[in-house]
Amino acid sequence: NAGVTQTPKFRVLKTGQSMTLLCAQDMNHEYMYWYRQDPGMGLRLIHYSVGEGTTAKGEVPDGYNVSRLKKQNFLLGLESAAPSQTSVYFCASSLLQSTEAFFGQGTRLTVV
Amino acid sequence: AQTVTQSQPEMSVQEAETVTLSCTYDTSESDYYLFWYKQPPSRQMILVIRQEAYKQQNATENRFSVNFQKAAKSFSLKISDSQLGDAAMYFCAYRSAHFGNEKLTFGTGTRLTIIP
Repeated sequence: NAGVTQTPKFRVLKTGQSMTLLCAQDMNHEYMYWYRQDPGMGLRLIHYSVGEGTTAKGEVPDGYNVSRLKKQNFLLGLESAAPSQTSVYFCASSLLQSTEAFFGQGTRLTVV
Repeated sequence: AQTVTQSQPEMSVQEAETVTLSCTYDTSESDYYLFWYKQPPSRQMILVIRQEAYKQQNATENRFSVNFQKAAKSFSLKISDSQLGDAAMYFCAYRSAHFGNEKLTFGTGTRLTIIP
């Protein structure tokens, strides 16, 4: 049982480049989330989705876009990467609002 | 908007002793869920314990228990008989039970060190 899988695990980008982070879950969960984790700031919510075809903004959405065309996948895009987007990115999913969220292993992104 | 505050950036405890990590939250809602997650050096986020706001009884999971004070909006985590494997970042999290407010909000974390 794979759970939540993030691709890639590491990436280095140059300023201005674009990239897409993929999150895939095999638990038939409705809710999916993208977070960034920075030292001293905890996990901050970027965007989230409450079901296939839906997306919503979180706490720090600027510079990011997301799509959820299939229930099992939640994509996070950076159109023009900036050094301020250097971070560790986590994807999470949950079945219901009442249930625990399961996390991927994280993606370490460095923008130079 | 809901906020979660963890006022202790770092804590340490002697092995086999008990430690309490603090968490407070701000909400105008009456129905919600609270979580404690552990993040060891592997970076993997692991659920430690979960509490439903409508339940007065404090949740327990083996050596882990919470002190949930709804009126005070406080949700502290107590770790008994601390073990070396408990060393990690601990995050408190809040999620509303209301439709239309599905965000899962985290605090800034507490780094727990276990002293042998």
